[in-house]
Amino acid sequence: QKEVEQDPGPLSVPEGAIVSLNCTYSNSAFQYFMWYRQYSRKGPELLMYTYSSGNKEDGRFTAQVDKSSKYISLFIRDSQPSDSATYLCAMRHSGNTPLVFGKGTRLSVIA
Amino acid sequence: GAVVSQHPSWVICKSGTSVKIECRSLDFQATTMFWYRQFPKQSLMLMATSNEGSKATYEQGVEKDKFLINHASLTLSTLTVTSAHPEDSSFYICSARDAIGSTYGYTFGSGTRLTVV
Repeated sequence: QKEVEQDPGPLSVPEGAIVSLNCTYSNSAFQYFMWYRQYSRKGPELLMYTYSSGNKEDGRFTAQVDKSSKYISLFIRDSQPSDSATYLCAMRHSGNTPLVFGKGTRLSVIA
Repeated sequence: GAVVSQHPSWVICKSGTSVKIECRSLDFQATTMFWYRQFPKQSLMLMATSNEGSKATYEQGVEKDKFLINHASLTLSTLTVTSAHPEDSSFYICSARDAIGSTYGYTFGSGTRLTVV
């Protein structure tokens, strides 16, 4: 079993739809959870960051972490064509530790 | 915000030659740099972790003599792919954590697409 599982999609939705992206993980020691957006041939860009369980909202984006279920989610409201990209979940332990990434989900928002 | 500049953005080289990729933290001091490799439609796989002034720590299966990492200053880390072969063709990305130990997600460079012919 991989440490972080993420459905690679592709996921195609109409403009204005609510998008739900999810990851599960196996290592209960992960404490920091992030979502990155990656456009083709570019480096990942940090979208959301959460520590431990709970919700965090930033504009059209909401990140949720459920540590008891080892499950994290990213919701995108009122999706736009410009949201079309690959979304990567990432997580890490405490301290100076590297990120462990999911496989990424390719999202297309159709106008 | 924190910015990591990575160069070159793409490079084509002949088999057997070496290629150097640079990552610079522009507005913060990066005590730790992480180097990743990403194959098409795959996730980022950690290659090595480099701390300023010390030897890099390589992940299992990554040849340290082939992928030379230097992190001589708090703002610059380099990855040199030596004696490159076509199977080394990939997207290489660095990421950095600032010296004050920010708990936020790390900052990534824009990536280098290496093609070995």
